Amino acid sequence: RKEVEQDPGPFNVPEGATVAFNCTYSNSASQSFFWYRQDCRKEPKLLMSVYSSGNEDGRFTAQLNRASQYISLLIRDSKLSDSATYLCVVNGNAGKSTFGDGTTLTVKP
Amino acid sequence: DTAVSQTPKYLVTQMGNDKSIKCEQNLGHDTMYWYKQDSKKFLKIMFSYNNKELIINETVPNRFSPKSPDKAHLNLHINSLELGDSAVYFCASSQTVAGATDTQYFGPGTRLTVL
Repeated sequence: RKEVEQDPGPFNVPEGATVAFNCTYSNSASQSFFWYRQDCRKEPKLLMSVYSSGNEDGRFTAQLNRASQYISLLIRDSKLSDSATYLCVVNGNAGKSTFGDGTTLTVKP
Repeated sequence: DTAVSQTPKYLVTQMGNDKSIKCEQNLGHDTMYWYKQDSKKFLKIMFSYNNKELIINETVPNRFSPKSPDKAHLNLHINSLELGDSAVYFCASSQTVAGATDTQYFGPGTRLTVL
């Protein structure tokens, strides 16, 4: 079993749609959680951190469920510019980050 | 004023050659990383340095040798390049060791092609 598993995708949605991505992790001692975004042929960039209480940044909402070892990302009112690969990232101790394999989102007009 | 920079951006070389990739960060961060992203886009950590000390070495062949002359620089030297080394190599940095909540900032990547 992979340490971090994401929805396989790809997701193809129309503009204005709501889309949700899921991610599960295997190490219950994991300490911090993030969603990164990677555009084609570019470097990954932080989208948002994920907290147990849930957090929202504009159209983006992230949730963490430690009991189920599950992270989610919800994008409301999708824009064409949201098209990218979304990477779930889990940090353990000793400085190791584990990236999920990514979920590709394409938003179409 | 690039935060994390890498050189070269593209590297095309023959099998068996030795090559180096350089990385510099001007963010004042203590921790730097090398990641490999293969053709399937899977991003895997290779090495991590904290204040010039190696803290992560993930089952990477000995042909790969990182060097950190100071905490703002982390270079990657690859000996006897193989076809399977073709990938995009990303350097990254974070304020402290990434067991806490620190964001990692990535360089633009070095696209290595081994012929």
